[in-house]
Parts: sequence; structure tokens; C-alpha cells
Amino acid sequence: SQTIHQWPATLVQPVGSPLSLECTVEGTSNPNLYWYRQAAGRGLQLLFYSVGIGQISSEVPQNLSASRPQDRQFILSSKKLLLSDSGFYLCAWSETFYEQYFGPGTRLTVT
Amino acid sequence: AQSVTQLDSHVSVSEGTPVLLRCNYSSSYSPSLFWYVQHPNKGLQLLLKYTSAATLVKGINGFEAEFKKSETSFHLTKPSAHMSDAAEYFCVVSDTGTASKLTFGTGTRLQVTL
Repeated sequence: SQTIHQWPATLVQPVGSPLSLECTVEGTSNPNLYWYRQAAGRGLQLLFYSVGIGQISSEVPQNLSASRPQDRQFILSSKKLLLSDSGFYLCAWSETFYEQYFGPGTRLTVT
Repeated sequence: AQSVTQLDSHVSVSEGTPVLLRCNYSSSYSPSLFWYVQHPNKGLQLLLKYTSAATLVKGINGFEAEFKKSETSFHLTKPSAHMSDAAEYFCVVSDTGTASKLTFGTGTRLQVTL
């Protein structure tokens, strides 16, 4: 069966510091991968998606970036965090054009 | 363009009574529709999905939803609420493009009281 991992689970970072969040999927090949952000009291906002290694599409211009160095690895990064980057970050994968499966999330607090 | 409207931001029911969470959608194509549940500080779990097969869809934990094209609705129901059902519920529509991009509703928080 497929499993999706995210780490770290929680993170507190100062403004201006770099960020690296990692997501890996097991048990499937060539999945579509997604990064979402969920701000407090709001729905989910799609940040990036990837249909293959090195293929990244950005949905919202911002100071975040994503990379897919391996088939089942998806990384969310920032060179300098802003206060507004605080939130709950969710990684998801899909195998078909239908449902997506979500990881446990990373709670990021920028201070 | 596709969109989803969850008609209630908060629903409160007593344990053992029926649950109804309302969702209306807008889509230019035949949509795929989903309900996800999120418990506090957790990821989202897929409850059920509609992908142009049977209009009455049964999901996990006793939930079901009915796709009504004429009403553009996909309401989530459960005959008898349990305390463990207290969570945030998201209605979602899918764009079946190159990579399935989901459009989320704003969520309905379900409270279950004794």
C-alpha cells in the first residue's frame, strides 16, 4: 500500500531564515505531487504541483519554491521566510486524474 | 472555471442524530467530487468520491453523499453522528486536466454534542 511522509511535523523559524520541508511517497511510481498551505481558519491553497522529476508548476507567486529531485520526493523551500509564510503545509500525491492523498502535514510558525 | 460552495461554516448536532453538510458546485465539465475530513492538526482523509458512476456514493465511517446534477449539489450525510465525527469537512471538485487540480470549499466544522 502507499504511504506518504512529511517532516518535520512542527517547525519554528525566525523571519529571514531558510526553509526546507520534505515529502516522500512510498509504494507508487511516477505520482503527481502537490504542496498546499492552509492558513489558520482557511481552506487549502495549492502552491505547487509536479507531474514528474524536475517538472514543477507554480500556482501562486511568492517567496517559496519547490523541487522534485527524485520520483517520489518533493521539497518545499524558501531562502528567506516571511511572517506570512506561517501555516500548515500539506503534501499530497495522486496516481490518477482523480483523488489525492494527503500527508500528515507540517506546522510552520515564523517568529 | 470550477468552484465549490459549502453552505454552512459550522454545524452542531447531538450524538445519535443525523448529519447533513451541504455543498454546491460549479463546473464546466462533468465533475469529479470528493469529501475530505480533517481532524485538528492532521492531514486530510478521503471520505468518499464521485467520478461519474453511481450517483449515491458510500464512504468510510458510515458517510454517504448524493450527486444531484439538476441541483448542482453533493451533500454529505450520516444517519447517526458519533463524537468522533467532530472535525472539519471539505467538499472538493476536481479539474481532470494534466494533473488533477482540486478546488476546495472553505470547510464546515462539525460539532457533536452529548
